[in-house]
Amino acid sequence: EVQLVESGGGLVQPGGSLRLSCAASGFTFSSYGMCWVRQAPGKGLEWVSVISGSGDSTFYADSVKGRFTISRDASKNTLYLQMHSLRAEDTAVYYCAKVFYISGKYTRPDDWGQGTLVTVSS
Amino acid sequence: QSVLTQPRSVSGSPGQSVTITCTGTSSDVGGYSYVSWYQQHPGKAPKLMISDVSKRPPGVPDRFSGSRSGNTASLTISGLQAEDEADYYCCSYAGSYTFWVFGGGTKVTVL
Repeated sequence: EVQLVESGGGLVQPGGSLRLSCAASGFTFSSYGMCWVRQAPGKGLEWVSVISGSGDSTFYADSVKGRFTISRDASKNTLYLQMHSLRAEDTAVYYCAKVFYISGKYTRPDDWGQGTLVTVSS
Repeated sequence: QSVLTQPRSVSGSPGQSVTITCTGTSSDVGGYSYVSWYQQHPGKAPKLMISDVSKRPPGVPDRFSGSRSGNTASLTISGLQAEDEADYYCCSYAGSYTFWVFGGGTKVTVL
């Protein structure tokens, strides 16, 4: 059974930094792309970042490009999201998810973790 | 404002059918057969209910079905049950750099 457990969320001041982690189990971690998707309070879903199974390729939504960095550690089966220069509009529940890949495309998030809340406020 | 357009809410009585629409463009819903639907109960993670327009993952009841016509995808829940009350989000692949676009979500209420 796929399990994804996020951690690292919390309250941070505008301009601050935070690192999220996602511990994965139940599948061969290095064989799958992974992603972060966020959901602002009472709002819909927004993809944030995607990383390939090898970690060699990374992709970011325009809203976080240059401020967030996605990475992974195969030895720890863990996905990370380093967030800098945080803004109020980054306040959201951040979900990590395993990505389905076919025909050269990352077509959808598949299995999701339970999420971790990031609140950016002074 | 979400890229894909969904109705804010739909409702039905137990046993009835409800359909949620998801309207995009030829760059997403109409351009790729990679439309998925997620169910989200309050405070819980999204759960994949339909992939690739109309495929049901293992364990998803067959009362959930998906379809597409042009730039509009639809999720139909037949034989509505109390546990189906939740928010539903559509998602479409939109290219190698845009990745995924989502709908704003539809709240399904079982009367």
